[in-house]
Amino acid sequence: AQKITQTQPGMFVQEKEAVTLDCTYDTSDPSYGLFWYKQPSSGEMIFLIYQGSYDQQNATEGRYSLNFQKARKSANLVISASQLGDSAMYFCAMSLGSSYKLIFGSGTRLLVRP
Amino acid sequence: DTGVSQDPRHKITKRGQNVTFRCDPISEHNRLYWYRQTLGQGPEFLTYFQNEAQLEKSRLLSDRFSAERPKGSFSTLEIQRTEQGDSAMYLCASSLYARGDQNYGYTFGSGTRLTVV
Repeated sequence: AQKITQTQPGMFVQEKEAVTLDCTYDTSDPSYGLFWYKQPSSGEMIFLIYQGSYDQQNATEGRYSLNFQKARKSANLVISASQLGDSAMYFCAMSLGSSYKLIFGSGTRLLVRP
Repeated sequence: DTGVSQDPRHKITKRGQNVTFRCDPISEHNRLYWYRQTLGQGPEFLTYFQNEAQLEKSRLLSDRFSAERPKGSFSTLEIQRTEQGDSAMYLCASSLYARGDQNYGYTFGSGTRLTVV
């Protein structure tokens, strides 16, 4: 069965420190994509970073990097130098097949402390 | 490019009433997706269109739900005879699907929050 698991319901991090949000996935399809989205209290889903299953290098986008370990089926998000504005829900998602519909995890609520 | 627009942002309705939501995708995007997100959960896929054709519907989309995308532009999601369990955030997303099985620019709207009382 295709599934995304986020085991951390909530996380705290001190401002300016780095934080890792965990994500594991399960699929038998050799071709898939992995996404991370940020959802502030306003409700919009903000795209952060994408990793294709055939990509050899870990994706990076500014302060965001994706630690892709294919054999372990994990796709952890690393946020460097946390800012107060990073406080939000974070969702890991996987795209499947040619439909590219997304399967989401249950999310991790991140709170950045000043 | 103004992004993906959804209207209304909030809707409160009485149980048993019909409601309709609208999504305007990014203009050059040929794919449009609907998701539902209940409190404390991640979004769940409902259905998607490529141009005007509805290509897949989730089993979550009961007979009371119908979605259309006339002329491959905006889309509407209608819920008939609403129930309290329909209370959720309804999110729309669009993307550009191209030859070679490439999907670009997957962008979400801000959602429509439905409350059924």
